[in-house]
Amino acid sequence: DTAVSQTPKYLVTQMGNDKSIKCEQNLGHDTMYWYKQDSKKFLKIMFSYNNKELIINETVPNRFSPKSPDKAHLNLHINSLELGDSAVYFCASSHAGAGNTIYFGEGSWLTVV
Amino acid sequence: GIQVEQSPPDLILQEGANSTLRCNFSDSVNNLQWFHQNPWGQLINLFYIPSGTKQNGRLSATTVATERYSLLYISSSQTTDSGVYFCAASSGAGSYQLTFGKGTKLSVIP
Repeated sequence: DTAVSQTPKYLVTQMGNDKSIKCEQNLGHDTMYWYKQDSKKFLKIMFSYNNKELIINETVPNRFSPKSPDKAHLNLHINSLELGDSAVYFCASSHAGAGNTIYFGEGSWLTVV
Repeated sequence: GIQVEQSPPDLILQEGANSTLRCNFSDSVNNLQWFHQNPWGQLINLFYIPSGTKQNGRLSATTVATERYSLLYISSSQTTDSGVYFCAASSGAGSYQLTFGKGTKLSVIP
């Protein structure tokens, strides 16, 4: 069983559309994250949730809204998609607190045309 | 926030050669991890190593926290080692987030 799973793996959509990426972890972790990897391979955190509560919200446009229905799920909804949103989005999870290994999902490739 | 710098940015090796990748960080760390991103884009955990030395097969890592650097050693490289190696760290109040370096792109040629 995949520890951190994301769907869809690939997504091609038109500008202006709204789309969601789903993430689930079966590791029993209480902290989940969304990271974005741009075309230059640079990875940067977007959001972090601990026990369904938002604890990190980096400078991300309001069009991006994370939702955590429970500790095992963290979904990412994107409104009014723009060309610049094209990237790979990685979900990750860990136990809370400092010094815990963070595990990543396989990534969701989003292409906005 | 913490700064993470990796070197070299690119590395080409003949199969069988050894290599050392370096990660410098700007602050004391409570989390430091090495990842391998394979050509299919998967991010694979290699080591969780905020201090000390660990080994896993042909790979080993050492972090000297007092001098703020970490090294990843790859011995007897194979073509399957190709990809991008990332170092990521967190410190203090930012312990819930990892700051990634820009990676070292490794190409192992037969």
